[in-house]
Amino acid sequence: AQKVTQAQTEISVVEKEDVTLDCVYETRDTTYYLFWYKQPPSGELVFLIRRNSFDEQNEISGRYSWNFQKSTSSFNFTITASQVVDSAVYFCALSERRTTDSWGKFQFGAGTQVVVTP
Amino acid sequence: DVKVTQSSRYLVKRTGEKVFLECVQDMDHENMFWYRQDPGLGLRLIYFSYDVKMKEKGDIPEGYSVSREKKERFSLILESASTNQTSMYLCASRRQGISNQPQHFGDGTRLSIL
Repeated sequence: AQKVTQAQTEISVVEKEDVTLDCVYETRDTTYYLFWYKQPPSGELVFLIRRNSFDEQNEISGRYSWNFQKSTSSFNFTITASQVVDSAVYFCALSERRTTDSWGKFQFGAGTQVVVTP
Repeated sequence: DVKVTQSSRYLVKRTGEKVFLECVQDMDHENMFWYRQDPGLGLRLIYFSYDVKMKEKGDIPEGYSVSREKKERFSLILESASTNQTSMYLCASRRQGISNQPQHFGDGTRLSIL
């Protein structure tokens, strides 16, 4: 069963527009972590942010912000004032304590392609 | 910074060949992973290792094997390469024991089987 769902396959925006990426997860654990990764065309997945299940405070870091809502099992990610360099595939990932402490396994979503045009 | 190095960025092999993909990390991480990435399918876990000489099958282990003789190195082996194994392969490592630790990825190997 899919534990992490990224329903948006591709999002295209013009530079300076905001982009919000949706992520819905499923878990029975009470302790878990959520991550966002960026994969530029060069191929390497780059870790961006993480949030633990006990902290629903939303944060902003530069042009990035995230909205974690436990009640709807969502962990959405927003890029404000997008730039061409933001063009990449973005992955949401779930780390459940039950499996991660022992094995380190993550559950990844299918990814959302973001295309920012000048 | 964590450095995960994959031996090749691009690799072209022939059907039936035995193919080795190498991955080395420099942060003494216990956990290491091999994924393949295909359009529309996201990241799929092939094998992972939680310590030296320890390995576990992931979601799609068929046609692959792995080796972890040293902590820093995790090798993926295609015993007899087939065209359906043409893909992007990603290696990752992670410190074990703390749930909030991210996986750190290499640059990926784009493998073509002709």
